Amino acid sequence: AQSVAQPEDQVNVAEGNPLTVKCTYSVSGNPYLFWYVQYPNRGLQFLLKYITGDNLVKGSYGFEAEFNKSQTSFHLKKPSALVSDSALYFCAVRDMMKSTFGDGTTLTVKP
Amino acid sequence: GAGVSQSPSNKVTEKGKDVELRCDPISGHTALYWYRQSLGQGLEFLIYFQGNSAPDKSGLPSDRFSAERTGGSVSTLTIQRTQQEDSAVYLCASSLPGYQETQYFGPGTRLLVL
Repeated sequence: AQSVAQPEDQVNVAEGNPLTVKCTYSVSGNPYLFWYVQYPNRGLQFLLKYITGDNLVKGSYGFEAEFNKSQTSFHLKKPSALVSDSALYFCAVRDMMKSTFGDGTTLTVKP
Repeated sequence: GAGVSQSPSNKVTEKGKDVELRCDPISGHTALYWYRQSLGQGLEFLIYFQGNSAPDKSGLPSDRFSAERTGGSVSTLTIQRTQQEDSAVYLCASSLPGYQETQYFGPGTRLLVL
């Protein structure tokens, strides 16, 4: 069975500082990994995904994520956080057609 | 183009009543998914459709929950004899076929069972 862990319920950073939102996964086959962001009272918006190839994946809004097979991690990063990045972030792993989501990490960026 | 749409956006019902939630996927997306998001929780997989068939119904929490999809497009999630623990946001997503395809989510239906 596949699983995803987001070890931090909350991440706080100051605007302009780099941010990292952590994700580790467990899957029996090849990992297909996704990051989504959810703003209040909205659905999930796709940020980026890792399927194969380069371990550093670049996505929307300046976000990127690094796939690390040995550590089974897929941490989300951004070099310089914006107040508007404050939202709920979900990591997901795909096995066949079923996606398993982490519990989410609330990112708060303070001015 | 248009994204995934869901209706109603909010639904308040009394315990024991039946409710129907509707999802309109992105045109051309043959795969459709239903998830449930309870307050402060992650997403719980409910069911997945490929075309009109549902190969994986493993996530439906009880036999009070059912879903159908007609014409390879619109899907309806029905909850019979609603209970208070059914209160949640029900999210629909659609994608092209394939394991690496991105799921695109609708805004959700917020269900409150009194």
